[in-house]
Amino acid sequence: QKEVEQDPGPLSVPEGAIVSLNCTYSNSAFQYFMWYRQYSRKGPELLMYTYSSGNKEDGRFTAQVDKSSKYISLFIRDSQPSDSATYLCAITGTASKLTFGTGTRLQVTL
Amino acid sequence: SQTIHQWPATLVQPVGSPLSLECTVEGTSNPNLYWYRQAAGRGLQLLFYSVGIGQISSEVPQNLSASRPQDRQFILSSKKLLLSDSGFYLCAWRGRGAAYEQYFGPGTRLTVT
Repeated sequence: QKEVEQDPGPLSVPEGAIVSLNCTYSNSAFQYFMWYRQYSRKGPELLMYTYSSGNKEDGRFTAQVDKSSKYISLFIRDSQPSDSATYLCAITGTASKLTFGTGTRLQVTL
Repeated sequence: SQTIHQWPATLVQPVGSPLSLECTVEGTSNPNLYWYRQAAGRGLQLLFYSVGIGQISSEVPQNLSASRPQDRQFILSSKKLLLSDSGFYLCAWRGRGAAYEQYFGPGTRLTVT
């Protein structure tokens, strides 16, 4: 079993839709959660990070963590074509290393 | 603000040739530095990380090596490339303190022919 599981997609949604991206993890020692966005042929860009259960909102993006279920989500409201990218979750229990999901490819269509 | 640079952006090298990829960070001191490889359709694989000058930890035994000759410089090398070394190489840094998030450079796309 992988430490972090993420559906690779692709996920295709119409412009304006609400997008839900998810990861599950197996290690209860994981306490710190991040979401990265990666455009094609570019380096990953940090979108959001959170260190606790619950919701954290930043503009159209909301990160949600449920430690009891070992489940994290990223919601994108009013999705735009510019949101088309691969989204990676990253989780860690220590300061040294992050464990990444394989990424979900999102396509927002006009 | 902090900036991370990687070069070259793209590289095509024959099997058996040497490799040197460079990463530099500006605007921060004593960062943790990381090398990752991302193969097509796969996640990020941590190759090396460094907590200081001359301090390198290897995550995956292979024909790659890393060095950190200066505080904000991280180099990935190989004496003889294999076909399986092809991929997208990413450098990242993390600041000191309680923050755990890492920040990535633009990457180097390596094709071994």
